[in-house]
Amino acid sequence: DSGVTQTPKHLITATGQRVTLRCSPRSGDLSVYWYQQSLDQGLQFLIQYYNGEERAKGNILERFSAQQFPDLHSELNLSSLELGDSALYFCASSVAVGGQGNEQFFGPGTRLTVL
Amino acid sequence: TQLLEQSPQFLSIQEGENLTVYCNSSSVFSSLQWYRQEPGEGPVLLVTVVTGGEVKKLKRLTFQFGDARKDSSLHITAAQPGDTGLYLCARRNSGGSNYKLTFGKGTLLTVNP
Repeated sequence: DSGVTQTPKHLITATGQRVTLRCSPRSGDLSVYWYQQSLDQGLQFLIQYYNGEERAKGNILERFSAQQFPDLHSELNLSSLELGDSALYFCASSVAVGGQGNEQFFGPGTRLTVL
Repeated sequence: TQLLEQSPQFLSIQEGENLTVYCNSSSVFSSLQWYRQEPGEGPVLLVTVVTGGEVKKLKRLTFQFGDARKDSSLHITAAQPGDTGLYLCARRNSGGSNYKLTFGKGTLLTVNP
């Protein structure tokens, strides 16, 4: 158990819909990262937040957005869903924002299926 | 885009065999990490290598970082069914506060009893 929690574990929805994925980081971790894992693209970085502020953006679509709240939990919002958005979505957390020893701990993921 | 190429993509072996998986790039890594991901779970960090030529051992797992810091290998001795999983290498983007990880597509290892 990494200490990072994600809900829900599974989510099935239809094209065009909007969903919200939730992540609670490890106690004491200020930085949260979101990744998408699909069979064809592998594990890809989406976005990073540190203490409520966006710090880095990766291959995140404009239909996707995220935020980190004062209690440090984070939500990833996916809208106008398409079949190709079906994937595993992972949240990871770390103590700080950088540094050689700044290990990221991954949650168990949310499996999103868009029908 | 600084891609990480992992090989082989799939590997199925019998318990007790040895194996090596590879991670290669055309670019120099500042550091490289190896993760193992089991079904239904997120990746778990195994090791971080930083220095060219570095060798690290974790029980039956041996990690090597190439002298030029463009490639790395993971060798497993006497594989066990518990070693089954997706092995991912990742590089950390250097510079500023950007700490995103760039992953290879992984090697899916199956160790049969």
